[in-house]
Amino acid sequence: IAGITQAPTSQILAAGRRMTLRCTQDMRHNAMYWYRQDLGLGLRLIHYSNTAGTTGKGEVPDGYSVSRANTDDFPLTLASAVPSQTSVYFCASSVSSAGGTEAFFGQGTRLTVV
Amino acid sequence: GENVEQHPSTLSVQEGDSAVIKCTYSDSASNYFPWYKQELGKRPQLIIDIRSNVGEKKDQRIAVTLNKTAKHFSLHITETQPEDSAVYFCAASKGNAGNMLTFGGGTRLMVKP
Repeated sequence: IAGITQAPTSQILAAGRRMTLRCTQDMRHNAMYWYRQDLGLGLRLIHYSNTAGTTGKGEVPDGYSVSRANTDDFPLTLASAVPSQTSVYFCASSVSSAGGTEAFFGQGTRLTVV
Repeated sequence: GENVEQHPSTLSVQEGDSAVIKCTYSDSASNYFPWYKQELGKRPQLIIDIRSNVGEKKDQRIAVTLNKTAKHFSLHITETQPEDSAVYFCAASKGNAGNMLTFGGGTRLMVKP
């Protein structure tokens, strides 16, 4: 693994089903994020984690949960998918710094809820 | 929380012309302002960033300016080329508590050969 990797790349999911999007990074970044990207709305933060063992809510957290058991992994779970969760999901990571640092993005997961 | 607005939403220029994209932010505590380029079907990638202690930064054909008093920052691309065609996003963060970025809505830049 080099950088940050997401799985699956795409998924079609029946409404009401549970789904976990996976995200793994090998850069030893302490901060990780999940964004969703909808047409015309840019990227909106769902959840974040400043360091292993801690998580926080972003701008659009409802219907999603995350965990951060270790530095490398940051899975995003949809407990009961709804069509409005159809989107492209990006995981990102960065070094947490008071001066701000570059966020590196995964390749994205295209999720369609039908 | 922070709110970032970006204009224009679409921009079409002739190859060789300059392109300017503008963003405003609401939280005066924000101190880190990156710009990301996203090609079709690809992930966003950082092209340039600026911190609040700097008013301007340049990297070859791209430059960013920051006006902290007015709370706005801009991306300037000179001598545009067809490969500059993409969606560009501005963002802002306070640089602490995990460096969470708030993004603007994006600008689709089209460079016509």
